[in-house]
Amino acid sequence: DSGVTQTPKHLITATGQRVTLRCSPRSGDLSVYWYQQSLDQGLQFLIQYYNGEERAKGNILERFSAQQFPDLHSELNLSSLELGDSALYFCASSVDPVPYGYTFGSGTRLTVV
Amino acid sequence: AQTVTQSQPEMSVQEAETVTLSCTYDTSESDYYLFWYKQPPSRQMILVIRQEAYKQQNATENRFSVNFQKAAKSFSLKISDSQLGDAAMYFCAYRSRGAGSYQLTFGKGTKLSVIP
Repeated sequence: DSGVTQTPKHLITATGQRVTLRCSPRSGDLSVYWYQQSLDQGLQFLIQYYNGEERAKGNILERFSAQQFPDLHSELNLSSLELGDSALYFCASSVDPVPYGYTFGSGTRLTVV
Repeated sequence: AQTVTQSQPEMSVQEAETVTLSCTYDTSESDYYLFWYKQPPSRQMILVIRQEAYKQQNATENRFSVNFQKAAKSFSLKISDSQLGDAAMYFCAYRSRGAGSYQLTFGKGTKLSVIP
């Protein structure tokens, strides 16, 4: 157990639907990162939150949004889902600005049918 | 923008032998961090080793070591005495040292098979 908890582990939904992925960071970590892993694009950075505020944005679609709550857990919302959104979504947390590697969660496997 | 290239999509190694995975990167920055992550079939991303660009000494972690060539922008991973549990996808990653930006840029990965 890495200490980063992601729920659900698997999610199957239909095109056009909206889903919410949840992440609880490791105790003491203030930063949360979201990554998308797909076969064609590899691991892509989506967005980072630090202590409740958006810190950096990557290749995140306008249909996707995220937030970090006062208890530091984060949610990634994916709407108007398309088949191409099927991927593994990782959350990671870290103690910034300490420059260590992240601790990753085990991911949420999203399948859009 | 930084890019990370792993030119070997797949590699195999005999158990107990040594294997080297290649990684090159492109950046205009002089100070940064490099990482190797392992992703076994369980899909968990596990940090294997980390290198700070300002340190000339190559990082080592037990059976894992790196060959960091800053001028060539090369960062290879050597796995010694390979074990069956080393079979996984291995990702090379780059991270800027710039303040406030801690995102990782990943390569496409190398799938390592270990032959008993």
